[in-house]
Amino acid sequence: RKEVEQDPGPFNVPEGATVAFNCTYSNSASQSFFWYRQDCRKEPKLLMSVYSSGNEDGRFTAQLNRASQYISLLIRDSKLSDSATYLCVVRNPTDKLIFGTGTRLQVFP
Amino acid sequence: DVKVTQSSRYLVKRTGEKVFLECVQDMDHENMFWYRQDPGLGLRLIYFSYDVKMKEKGDIPEGYSVSREKKERFSLILESASTNQTSMYLCASSWGARDTGELFFGEGSRLTVL
Repeated sequence: RKEVEQDPGPFNVPEGATVAFNCTYSNSASQSFFWYRQDCRKEPKLLMSVYSSGNEDGRFTAQLNRASQYISLLIRDSKLSDSATYLCVVRNPTDKLIFGTGTRLQVFP
Repeated sequence: DVKVTQSSRYLVKRTGEKVFLECVQDMDHENMFWYRQDPGLGLRLIYFSYDVKMKEKGDIPEGYSVSREKKERFSLILESASTNQTSMYLCASSWGARDTGELFFGEGSRLTVL
């Protein structure tokens, strides 16, 4: 079983839609969690950290469910510019960052 | 702005050639990393370094070596390139003691080994 698993997608949604991605992790002792965004042929960049209480940054909301060992990313009012691959990243107990393979989002007009 | 610069965006090499990939960061970060990214496999850690002259193996170090002679520079070396090392190589850096979990990546070096 992979340490971090994501649905690869693609998720094809119209502008203005709400879309959510989940990511599951296998190590219950994982310490911290992040979402990165990677545009086509570009490098990954940190989108947001995921806090235990959940956190919001504009149209983006991240949540952590430790009991079920998953994190989620919700995007409201999708924009064309949100089209990208979203990488789930988990810091494991040895302090290493483990990357998921990513979920591709395509927003169409 | 943090800048991580990788020396070559695209390289084409032949099997058996020695390949150097250079990475320089300008934010005085203690930590530096080399990943490769392949479709369906995500980012996999090759080597990392938490200090000058220090290096640690990541998950897939076979066929690679690294050098960190200066804090700002971390080089990845393929002693004898093979076709299965065709990939996108990404260098990253981060703070040490102040590590927030944010990695700053370079634009990547796409290597093709023929």
